[in-house]
Amino acid sequence: GDSVTQMEGPVTLSEEAFLTINCTYTATGYPSLFWYVQYPGEGLQLLLKATKADDKGSNKGFEATYRKETTSFHLEKGSVQVSDSAVYFCALSRMIKAAGNKLTFGGGTRVLVKP
Amino acid sequence: NAGVTQTPKFRVLKTGQSMTLLCAQDMNHEYMYWYRQDPGMGLRLIHYSVGEGTTAKGEVPDGYNVSRLKKQNFLLGLESAAPSQTSVYFCASSYRAGGSTDTQYFGPGTRLTVL
Repeated sequence: GDSVTQMEGPVTLSEEAFLTINCTYTATGYPSLFWYVQYPGEGLQLLLKATKADDKGSNKGFEATYRKETTSFHLEKGSVQVSDSAVYFCALSRMIKAAGNKLTFGGGTRVLVKP
Repeated sequence: NAGVTQTPKFRVLKTGQSMTLLCAQDMNHEYMYWYRQDPGMGLRLIHYSVGEGTTAKGEVPDGYNVSRLKKQNFLLGLESAAPSQTSVYFCASSYRAGGSTDTQYFGPGTRLTVL
């Protein structure tokens, strides 16, 4: 079945440091890939997505490229801020006939950015 | 436009008690989902609905029931709560089954503790 593996946290960084969160997946077919972010006390928000191989998703300074050859979707940001402290979830989505799109999530990576 | 809302935000139950979690969305979405979030395990799908009056089982449905009597509401019920159901519950909705690219929008979550 489908699965998503992402690096365990917590990841602790200083402000303006470079952030990378690794994500790899196992899936049949051609899933779409997502990064969701969960700020403290809130629900999940879509951060970015990519729908086919070599697509790059980007938002709020974050980027991730859909690499089919390595089945990866690593999240990067060049200069983090304290406000980027959150839990980040990598997820894949496949269309299930008559059932909508099924999201499979990784375990989440907690990121803490210190001033 | 409130998006996806969940009631209640917090609840403490004793083993064997029952309760219902309410999810409401005002985006006219066809698809609605219930997830549970446990530490290190990401989100796992409990039940989902592809439209008013229809429901289906997800990955971890045991011990839960759902109903979708109105398009905008999706209820999650626990008939006899167990400590293993201590978790954070998230509701989500998406517009349609247009493919795996559809974005799911999440509510703020309900933190449930079963003693």
